[in-house]
Amino acid sequence: GQNIDQPTEMTATEGAIVQINCTYQTSGFNGLFWYQQHAGEAPTFLSYNVLDGLEEKGRFSSFLSRSKGYSYLLLKELQMKDSASYLCAPPGGGSYIPTFGRGTSLIVHP
Amino acid sequence: GAVVSQHPSWVICKSGTSVKIECRSLDFQATTMFWYRQFPKQSLMLMATSNEGSKATYEQGVEKDKFLINHASLTLSTLTVTSAHPEDSSFYICSALVLGDRSQSYEQYFGPGTRLTVT
Repeated sequence: GQNIDQPTEMTATEGAIVQINCTYQTSGFNGLFWYQQHAGEAPTFLSYNVLDGLEEKGRFSSFLSRSKGYSYLLLKELQMKDSASYLCAPPGGGSYIPTFGRGTSLIVHP
Repeated sequence: GAVVSQHPSWVICKSGTSVKIECRSLDFQATTMFWYRQFPKQSLMLMATSNEGSKATYEQGVEKDKFLINHASLTLSTLTVTSAHPEDSSFYICSALVLGDRSQSYEQYFGPGTRLTVT
């Protein structure tokens, strides 16, 4: 199985940058997913990292260090609509199927 | 990105009845789909992996006779909640994994979810 550790909640100001950290322990590594989930809605795919380093995709970037069991999601130029839960999901156990914790609830205020 | 649809988006049913939820991949073929369940303020829990043309693989603790999964085509998987009870009320979400543009990369796309309320 896998243990996922993310902050429960974070707050940030519109226009700012925020970094959401995730540490995990997993038996067998097959990449790591990040998702955004607004309340009452299904998750939206943000990124998938399988190699170490930073992957940039518009305002969102995701970083992975496999040796440290660590990843972060970086959100730039925050907008109010970025208020959501952000889920770090490492597959494990030799599977490629992501498994989820409760995620980090990000609140963006004016 | 790939589009996954679900139907219905919400359903209310009486205790003891069965409810079928459909999950479709609209612009791609999905040999494998996943069914999740999410209770309020809880994390997404994987229920089962649905494979086209074969039996679904259920996660530990999920009753296969209660949650019937059929993946009869490359674009459709269905989840039937049989003899539903109030404790089955939840948000059911399907998803499909697709290969990404880069080597060894995957992208997972979720359907919009189905909110089931059993009275």
